[in-house]
Amino acid sequence: RKEVEQDPGPFNVPEGATVAFNCTYSNSASQSFFWYRQDCRKEPKLLMSVYSSGNEDGRFTAQLNRASQYISLLIRDSKLSDSATYLCVVSTPDSNYQLIWGAGTKLIIKP
Amino acid sequence: NAGVTQTPKFQVLKTGQSMTLQCAQDMNHEYMSWYRQDPGMGLRLIHYSVGAGITDQGEVPNGYNVSRSTTEDFPLRLLSAAPSQTSVYFCASSYTPGLAGGPGDTQYFGPGTRLTVL
Repeated sequence: RKEVEQDPGPFNVPEGATVAFNCTYSNSASQSFFWYRQDCRKEPKLLMSVYSSGNEDGRFTAQLNRASQYISLLIRDSKLSDSATYLCVVSTPDSNYQLIWGAGTKLIIKP
Repeated sequence: NAGVTQTPKFQVLKTGQSMTLQCAQDMNHEYMSWYRQDPGMGLRLIHYSVGAGITDQGEVPNGYNVSRSTTEDFPLRLLSAAPSQTSVYFCASSYTPGLAGGPGDTQYFGPGTRLTVL
């Protein structure tokens, strides 16, 4: 089983809709969680960290569910510019805090 | 600030050739790392460094060497290129490696090097 798993998609969503996707992780000792965004043929960029209490940044909301070992990302009022691949990232003490990356979920926002 | 820079952007090698991918950052970050990204897979850590003079292996270190003589530079050397090393290579830097989930853990990436080994 992969340490960090994501649905590869693509998720095809109309502009203005709400979309959510999850990421599951296998190591219960995982400590830090992040969502990165990667545009086609570009480098990843941090979208947001995921805190235990959940956090929101504008149209984006991230949640952590430790009991079920997944994190989620919710995008409200989606824009064409939200089209990208969203990467889930986890760090654990077991891996000397090295970041473990999911393969990403591709999101396509359609007009 | 230029952030993280990588050269070259594209490279084609023949099997057995060697080369060095350059990476530099001007943010005074102690932590630097090299990843490779292959289709359908997450970024995989090749080597990392927690400061000048200190390097360690990541998940997929075979066939690669690194050195960190200065805080700014972290070159990656391919010793004898193989077709399995065809990939996109990203260099990244941060204040910390992912300890607390805070702003210091933010990984800043270079634009990547697309390497093809024939």
